This record gives sequence, C-alpha cells and structure tokens, in this order.
Amino acid sequence: DAKTTQPTSMDCAEGRAANLPCNHSTISGNEYVYWYRQIHSQGPQYIIHGLKNNETNEMASLIITEDRKSSTLILPHATLRDTAVYYCIVRVAMDSNYQLIWGAGTKLIIKP
Amino acid sequence: GAGVSQTPSNKVTEKGKYVELRCDPISGHTALYWYRQSLGQGPEFLIYFQGTGAADDSGLPNDRFFAVRPEGSVSTLKIQRTERGDSAVYLCASSPWGTKNTGELFFGEGSRLTVL
Repeated sequence: DAKTTQPTSMDCAEGRAANLPCNHSTISGNEYVYWYRQIHSQGPQYIIHGLKNNETNEMASLIITEDRKSSTLILPHATLRDTAVYYCIVRVAMDSNYQLIWGAGTKLIIKP
Repeated sequence: GAGVSQTPSNKVTEKGKYVELRCDPISGHTALYWYRQSLGQGPEFLIYFQGTGAADDSGLPNDRFFAVRPEGSVSTLKIQRTERGDSAVYLCASSPWGTKNTGELFFGEGSRLTVL
C-alpha cells in the first residue's frame, strides 16, 4: 500500500510557482521522501529526494515539515513542459533492498 | 542513445501465450529494476537485480513471471501463459548505485503489453 496521499489533480498558470503537497503521516525516521514525474507515455524521471532538511536542485525545491508528516514540491517557474503526473514516494527498507512505494500521483496541468 | 532501452515498445498477444520483454540498462549500472504500471496507477515493484543475481523478487505476482540477467547487463522479463490482467506497461530502471545508496533510478520508456 502507498504510504503517501496526494491530490488527484492540480492546475497552475505558466510562469507561476507550482506547489504540490504530499502527506506521509506514517513515515518512519529513516525513510526518505522521493519525487518523480512522468510525462505522458514516457518513463518516470527523478526530481529530488530528502530525509529531514529542505532540499533544492536545478529542477525543484523540497520542503519537509519538521514532524516529517508532509512535504511540498515546489517548481519555481512552471512551464508548459512541466505538465506531468508527479509522484511523491516513500523509500522503505525491506529485507534485502530499499523499495520505492508509489501512489497514484498528482496530475499537474500547466496552463498558458 | 545513452539511456535505458526497452524492447518491444508495444506487444500485443493472445491469452495463454508466452512473452519476453527486454531491458538494456545504462552501461555500467549494476542495479536493475522491473516495475509494472497499470492505467492511472503508479509503478508497482516487481524485481530487483544487483549484478547477475535477483536480490529481491518479492514483487513478482506469481510463478508465471520470471526475470533473468545472466551477464549482469541486459535483463529479460518472461511471462508464461499470459492473462488479460497482465496487460500493463512494464518499466525497467537502472542505477549505478547499490541498494544502500540513496541515488536516483533511471527509467526506460516502458514496454506496453496488451493481452487479448
């Protein structure tokens, strides 16, 4: 079962910041939060990940609350090419591996 | 190209037939993953290889599904006696890091399987 809850869909105006929320209230202390996105008919693309601290890279920023029960992915200046399904994922430790547990994601539509 | 390559991109088969899906990972990547994605859902883990061995096959749904990676590079996902419920996009991903690393996965574009 997915360990994350996301809105089914969101709209954002081109040029604006897109803020995508995610709830992961059952996350454990050593479990990372990952974000991937999937543009139509393509494979998923890594965006960013974090554990406790806020993270930023060339694609996005990840803000994790102090209690780690939720996070927000921020695309600072959304473009039409950012239209995709965005997945918030928790990485869990299994017996011999770490697994990414995916939910259904948020469909983000960037409007001109 | 330099990315993960999956073939065929589309496969249509009849119920009961045998199917093989191929994944060619990024050169030098030791970790290889197979996922299955149904319409409107996120990817679902199937199996993970570290080198030639299957380090975690806990996601394979039943014994009709099998995967190999004999030389630690190309992998083949094999599905016997296909059923209509097997219809999905099968995604392959590779990574240069081992299981303990927090590195990203690099995905191919997937093989869409349709079982009639």
